Amino acid sequence: AQSVTQLGSHVSVSEGALVLLRCNYSSSVPPYLFWYVQYPNQGLQLLLKYTTGATLVKGINGFEAEFKKSETSFHLTKPSAHMSDAAEYFCAVSLNSGGSNYKLTFGKGTLLTVNP
Amino acid sequence: SQTIHQWPATLVQPVGSPLSLECTVEGTSNPNLYWYRQAAGRGLQLLFYSVGIGQISSEVPQNLSASRPQDRQFILSSKKLLLSDSGFYLCAWSVLRVWTFGSGTRLTVV
Repeated sequence: AQSVTQLGSHVSVSEGALVLLRCNYSSSVPPYLFWYVQYPNQGLQLLLKYTTGATLVKGINGFEAEFKKSETSFHLTKPSAHMSDAAEYFCAVSLNSGGSNYKLTFGKGTLLTVNP
Repeated sequence: SQTIHQWPATLVQPVGSPLSLECTVEGTSNPNLYWYRQAAGRGLQLLFYSVGIGQISSEVPQNLSASRPQDRQFILSSKKLLLSDSGFYLCAWSVLRVWTFGSGTRLTVV
């Protein structure tokens, strides 16, 4: 069965430092992979997604992620953290639930804290 | 453009009371619709999804039910709320493997 594992439920960085949020997936077929961000008491906003093609995906707010099939990973990075990046981040994989129907399965999330 | 509306934003209900959360989508037809629940420290759990009017699939056994009376309307219900039903409920729709989420409902059962 497909699944998503996010390593580290809480990551803390200093403003201006590199942000690295880890995500590993398990899938028997080529996956579609997503990163979402959630600010307190709000819905989820799509940061970026990987479907096919180029393995380095650039998203909004300066984030990017690289699909590494050999490592079954899709880690999220940002070169320089900003205070406004403090939020919870979710990695997700879309699964075929039969025919052309798909479900989105999430990791447990990583809370990012940015210290001044 | 496609939008998704979810209400209410917050809700406080006593144990044993009924529940009805509504979600509507605009700007698309025949979307797949989803209800997720987010409990503290437990990530997002898929509760129900629907691929068409009247078609509901349940992912986990629970005290909740879902209905889709119209193409772009998805309703989450309960006859009698439990304390464990507290959480943040998110509605979502997808077309061609692109998911869009509503702003969520914070439900507190007291």
